[in-house]
This record gives sequence, structure tokens and C-alpha cells, in this order.
Amino acid sequence: NAGVMQNPRHLVRRRGQEARLRCSPMKGHSHVYWYRQLPEEGLKFMVYLQKENIIDESGMPKERFSAEFPKEGPSILRIQQVVRGDSAAYFCASSPGQDREQFFGPGTRLTVL
Amino acid sequence: AQTVTQSQPEMSVQEAETVTLSCTYDTSESDYYLFWYKQPPSRQMILVIRQEAYKQQNATENRFSVNFQKAAKSFSLKISDSQLGDAAMYFCAYRSAGMRFGAGTRLTVKP
Repeated sequence: NAGVMQNPRHLVRRRGQEARLRCSPMKGHSHVYWYRQLPEEGLKFMVYLQKENIIDESGMPKERFSAEFPKEGPSILRIQQVVRGDSAAYFCASSPGQDREQFFGPGTRLTVL
Repeated sequence: AQTVTQSQPEMSVQEAETVTLSCTYDTSESDYYLFWYKQPPSRQMILVIRQEAYKQQNATENRFSVNFQKAAKSFSLKISDSQLGDAAMYFCAYRSAGMRFGAGTRLTVKP
């Protein structure tokens, strides 16, 4: 039973480019959460999705960031026109239900040059 | 909004001794979950222990235990018989829909 998978593990982008981060939840999990961790800080909640629906996006920046979790395929966190301040580790977690334990993926480290 | 505060940026413990990491939180909810996660240099988030707020009994997992004081909104982690492999960042977290994490405590274990 594979854990939460994220790819790529490392992503380098130049300012102004787009970054697409993918998260495949654990088998049987329909709830996905995205978090951002800046250097030397804790994880900050960004968005919570359940298949095809955004449940809570209170932590998402208002511009340039979007997330989706389609009926088929992985969840995608998309960052348009990246800036240096977007450099961080982005973690995905999944759970079988809202009140259940969240399992974390290994993270994607985004570097913006 | 829920907030989680870890007031100790860094802690150090001698191998085989006991250390306590502090965490306080703020919420208006009566039923919730609290967690401690460990993040080693690999950056993988590893669940250490969790506590349901409706349970009065403190959670215990082998060498890890918590002191949950609901009225004081305090949730400290005690690590007994510390081992070198315990060295990591430790994050306290409160779960609403998404997790709310504290800023973390870096634990160093001295041989």
C-alpha cells in the first residue's frame, strides 16, 4: 500500500514561469490537503479538497495559486508567474475522511531563480 | 481562527534523559484533535502522537507521552529515555479542516 506520492521532488523555475505540483493520495483517500513550509518555519495550511470540490481554501494566496483534485488523476497545485518568495517546500497530505488522520507525502521543494 | 504556539525554538537533551516540549493553542471549539509531528532532516512529516480533546486520558506511545490540559489549552510532549534518533524538528498541530501547525521546536540530542 503505497503512501502519499508527490512529484516532482525538486522543481526549479525561473521567475514568471509556471509551477505544477502533483499529489497522488493514498489508496482509498478522497481528501487532500496542501501545505507550504518556508525555510525555518512550520507548515502553513493552504487548501483542502475533496474529489472535484474545494472545501476550504482559506490559506491560499488570492492570486496566482490554484488547486484542483479531479475525479481521475492526482491533485494539482498550480502556481502561475512564480516569484522568488514562492520558493518553499510544498507538502500534500491525504485522509479517508475529514476527521481522520492525515498522512503526509515527502514534499516538493520548489526553487525560483 | 485557531492558533498554535510553540514557545521554545530550540531544546537540547542528554541521551537517555527526559525532555518536555511545550505547546499552547487557541480555539473556541469543544471537540478537536491535537497532534505532535516529527520532521527529521529528510523533511518527511512523521506522526508521533495524537490526542482527542474529548478524552481526558493523556495519550501515550512508547517513550512519547503528552500532558493535555484542556482548560489551559496546553498540549506538551514528553520524550523519555531520549535517543539520538529523536533529534529533529517537532511540530505541534491542531486539526480543524486543515492542520494548523506551530512554528516548531528543534530538538538536539547530545550523546
